[in-house]
Amino acid sequence: DVQMTQSPSSLSASVGDTVTITCRANQDIRNYLSWFQQKPGKVPRSLMYAATSLQTGVSPRFTGGGSGRDFTLTIANLQPEDFATYYCQQFATYPLTFGPGTKVD
Amino acid sequence: QVQLVQSGAEVKKPGASVKLSCQASGFTFFTYGVHWVRQAPGQGLEWMGRFIPGSGGTGDGTTKYSPKFQGRVTITRDTSATTAYMELSGLRSEDTAVYYCARGRIWFGDLYYFDYWGQGTLLTVSS
Repeated sequence: DVQMTQSPSSLSASVGDTVTITCRANQDIRNYLSWFQQKPGKVPRSLMYAATSLQTGVSPRFTGGGSGRDFTLTIANLQPEDFATYYCQQFATYPLTFGPGTKVD
Repeated sequence: QVQLVQSGAEVKKPGASVKLSCQASGFTFFTYGVHWVRQAPGQGLEWMGRFIPGSGGTGDGTTKYSPKFQGRVTITRDTSATTAYMELSGLRSEDTAVYYCARGRIWFGDLYYFDYWGQGTLLTVSS
């Protein structure tokens, strides 16, 4: 299985900050990476796919980068609704695997 | 609009089976895949398996499961009813979790990424 790690596991930020979350795969997954946002008690929300493509309706304050093994999710001008846990996921090989999550509070 | 509506909460005893449903609307059901993911209390997301459509456009398709659940999980789809199902057998307390379906959108080949999610179904396994 492809192992996904994320750093940091949590971070503290303020409204207006720019934050970056890193996701690393233990093997090359090309750009087959998605990002998800989840608020406590809520359904996960798809943010990005193919490392850099925004899902429909997602704010352009979210940008994704990377390829191969290392990826980033950057949130610019952090807004109150952005405080959540973020997960990366690889869809290059089965079984699909998720990172452990990064909590932004 | 795209919607995935999942069945209601379930309580099962250890050793039992459960079959959860995910009803789709607002899109051409048989051209998309369906993934199932679960989330145990306080834990992260765990992929269980997926169904993707076949090339014939008749509603048939193929499944792939996580090795962790192989032999215990079965994902099916009733195209005429626009509903997907996930059956999990041999339930144990560790299967207590919220189970989500998510629409799979083709990337290429048999690779489907997630876009829309169902609201989730809480399964509690307890004696």
